[in-house]
Amino acid sequence: DGGITQSPKYLFRKEGQNVTLSCEQNLNHDAMYWYRQDPGQGLRLIYYSQIVNDFQKGDIAEGYSVSREKKESFPLTVTSAQKNPTAFYLCARSPRRGPYGYTFGSGTRLTVV
Amino acid sequence: DAKTTQPPSMDCAEGRAANLPCNHSTISGNEYVYWYRQIHSQGPQYIIHGLKNNETNEMASLIITEDRKSSTLILPHATLRDTAVYYCIVHISSGSARQLTFGSGTQLTVLP
Repeated sequence: DGGITQSPKYLFRKEGQNVTLSCEQNLNHDAMYWYRQDPGQGLRLIYYSQIVNDFQKGDIAEGYSVSREKKESFPLTVTSAQKNPTAFYLCARSPRRGPYGYTFGSGTRLTVV
Repeated sequence: DAKTTQPPSMDCAEGRAANLPCNHSTISGNEYVYWYRQIHSQGPQYIIHGLKNNETNEMASLIITEDRKSSTLILPHATLRDTAVYYCIVHISSGSARQLTFGSGTQLTVLP
């Protein structure tokens, strides 16, 4: 898994319910990211965190929330305020500095019915 | 970050070299070129990155033009498993804000 694990792989929820997606990394990297991908589209940044207890909004943060209480975990909550939550969600990690690539998790496909 | 332009799709015969182009004419001096690929329904996979010089690893080679305004990712002997969307991204490597912006990429289809 490249040191980063997302769960579950598939998630179904009823409209109006909040849902939390898990992302865990075991390589002690500072930076973690959440992206959203819609069919046939590129990735769009939701939130990112450079250090514990700190995070910043990305391009499409509305309707989402995150926490970073410990370095290895960066859960994403999709709230009922997110108008179109059905999508493929990807978590990534990287060292905070230097020209290193991101390592992505395998993704969670969320379907809201 | 500088924007990149990639063709939306390309085909390549199995066993032949796949050459994927990327234009990044507004790249600045401290921006790296990164390549990722995404196989259907999986997370993107880092392939290679470079600043000025050509780079090679076990997966691919990256050729960056002398003016750095374009680059080419080369898969020397493409296999069916190389069928994926390939993303070219330019980004500053230093500093605390390292969020990458992914465009639509190039869909590479390797044909038997």
